[in-house]
Amino acid sequence: GQSLEQPSEVTAVEGAIVQINCTYQTSGFYGLSWYQQHDGGAPTFLSYNGLDGLEETGRFSSFLSRSDSYGYLLLQELQMKDSASYFCAVSDYKLSFGAGTTVTVRA
Amino acid sequence: EAGVAQSPRYKIIEKRQSVAFWCNPISGHATLYWYQQILGQGPKLLIQFQNNGVVDDSQLPKDRFSAERLKGVDSTLKIQPAKLEDSAVYLCASSPRGGGSEQFFGPGTRLTVL
Repeated sequence: GQSLEQPSEVTAVEGAIVQINCTYQTSGFYGLSWYQQHDGGAPTFLSYNGLDGLEETGRFSSFLSRSDSYGYLLLQELQMKDSASYFCAVSDYKLSFGAGTTVTVRA
Repeated sequence: EAGVAQSPRYKIIEKRQSVAFWCNPISGHATLYWYQQILGQGPKLLIQFQNNGVVDDSQLPKDRFSAERLKGVDSTLKIQPAKLEDSAVYLCASSPRGGGSEQFFGPGTRLTVL
């Protein structure tokens, strides 16, 4: 089976940088994905890391270390609209989601 | 390109009643997923279809839940009879292929069981 751990809540001010860590244990592993979900909305895909290293997409970056079973999502230049829940998810032939991290951005 | 469509958006039923949800995936997407998301938790995969075959249904409570994907396109998820603990958002997602590829989620159906 799979288990994932990520912090439950993070609060930061506009313009700040937030890092959401994710550690996982899994029997099979293709890669690590990140999804964003606004309150009442559907999850939307942010990034996927299949190989070790950093992937950058605009203000968001994601990192994976397969040897450490660890990854993170980095949110830069935080904006109010980034207030949402962020889920890491491990994939073998299916996705298994973590419990999510609620990010609150304060003015 | 149209997104994943789901209906109804909201449903309130009493325990022991039955309910059905419908999903229309993005055109051409071979893989379709049904997730259950309880408030404050991450989505939990209930069943995954590849075309109209089942890839994984290990977390589907088969004594009360059933799902089908006829002709490899639309899908329905049924609960019969419903329990209080089935109150959740039921999300449908689709992707061009399985594995870790990007999944596109529909707006979900919020089910309340009284």
